[in-house]
Amino acid sequence: DQQVKQNSPSLSVQEGRISILNCDYTNSMFDYFLWYKKYPAEGPTFLISISSIKDKNEDGRFTVFLNKSAKHLSLHIVPSQPGDSAVYFCAARDLNNDMRFGAGTRLTVKP
Amino acid sequence: EAGVAQSPRYKIIEKRQSVAFWCNPISGHATLYWYQQILGQGPKLLIQFQNNGVVDDSQLPKDRFSAERLKGVDSTLKIQPAKLEDSAVYLCASSLQGANSPLHFGNGTRLTVT
Repeated sequence: DQQVKQNSPSLSVQEGRISILNCDYTNSMFDYFLWYKKYPAEGPTFLISISSIKDKNEDGRFTVFLNKSAKHLSLHIVPSQPGDSAVYFCAARDLNNDMRFGAGTRLTVKP
Repeated sequence: EAGVAQSPRYKIIEKRQSVAFWCNPISGHATLYWYQQILGQGPKLLIQFQNNGVVDDSQLPKDRFSAERLKGVDSTLKIQPAKLEDSAVYLCASSLQGANSPLHFGNGTRLTVT
């Protein structure tokens, strides 16, 4: 039951360029969406979130876009830095207040 | 602010043995979650507590997994007996009660069942 999908297992970008990570969901009742960043041997760290009443939220180099009609959200990182290299998880909250996670996208930013 | 604490960090057991994990959430966080993360996959919710009550345990394999949060603070997750497919990282997370509160994760316990 994959309600949250990240179809790209990996992404490689050059330092200074934009990184775009994508996420699709199937449950139209999700009302809160988040992105988490995970380094090896650590737990996921909260990065940025967006409520379903918005279509964009910005925090420094990170911007999350939500397209409810397409059930799609994306995370933009600009400019990308080598320290951004990590696994990024998309998550969505359901009616039970449970967070459902995608499988993750491994981002590599090359110097 | 101290983060979510989990122990142990690593555990290796043989199949059919039992194991327990411990979690101390961030102070004041009413909601506590246990997630299972298998290599190459995203975290999968096992159980959610609101204070000391279970909100959702629909994905917890109750024939072998159990969890408790007796005083509404610390929590333990137990597996008995363990199977090979239980090898995973077990993540504990906590959040404030209410809408739009992100989860804060501990560093997890990596379980290997041989």
